Amino acid sequence: QKEVEQDPGPLSVPEGAIVSLNCTYSNSAFQYFMWYRQYSRKGPELLMYTYSSGNKEDGRFTAQVDKSSKYISLFIRDSQPSDSATYLCAPSDLGRLYFGRGTQLTVWP
Amino acid sequence: GAGVSQSPSNKVTEKGKDVELRCDPISGHTALYWYRQRLGQGLEFLIYFQGNSAPDKSGLPSDRFSAERTGESVSTLTIQRTQQEDSAVYLCASSEWGPIAFGSGTRLTVV
Repeated sequence: QKEVEQDPGPLSVPEGAIVSLNCTYSNSAFQYFMWYRQYSRKGPELLMYTYSSGNKEDGRFTAQVDKSSKYISLFIRDSQPSDSATYLCAPSDLGRLYFGRGTQLTVWP
Repeated sequence: GAGVSQSPSNKVTEKGKDVELRCDPISGHTALYWYRQRLGQGLEFLIYFQGNSAPDKSGLPSDRFSAERTGESVSTLTIQRTQQEDSAVYLCASSEWGPIAFGSGTRLTVV
């Protein structure tokens, strides 16, 4: 079993839709949970991070972590064409990050 | 500098040659990471440096791969006798704690 499982998509939604991106993980030692966004031919950029279980909101983005079920979610409200990118979940045990494969998202106008 | 800097941004090399990739982390960041991303694939962990501790080399795919870091600054990833399957984007990242910041990567093409 891989450390982090993430549906690679692709996911295609109309502008304004609510997007839900999800990952599951197997290592209960993970404490920090990051989401990265990667545009084509660019390095990943940190979008959000949370510590332990709970929700964190930043503008149109909400990150959720449920450690009891080892489930990580990222919600994007009022999605925009500029949100089109690959989204990578990355939990951490305070050492390295363990990346999911990434979900490719396209938001069409 | 303001961010993680990697050089060169692109490298084309012949099969069998050695290559060196350089990473300048964000000043003050004690942790430094190397990841590899093959076309259409996720990020593959290679190696992790944390301060003066022994590096975590568990992700290096073969003994052709090695990396060094000078104190808490520059790191060099060396690939000896390159093979075509080494073609990928090599990403460096650094952090103080928790979230890590990535550079733009070195795109390596082995022909």
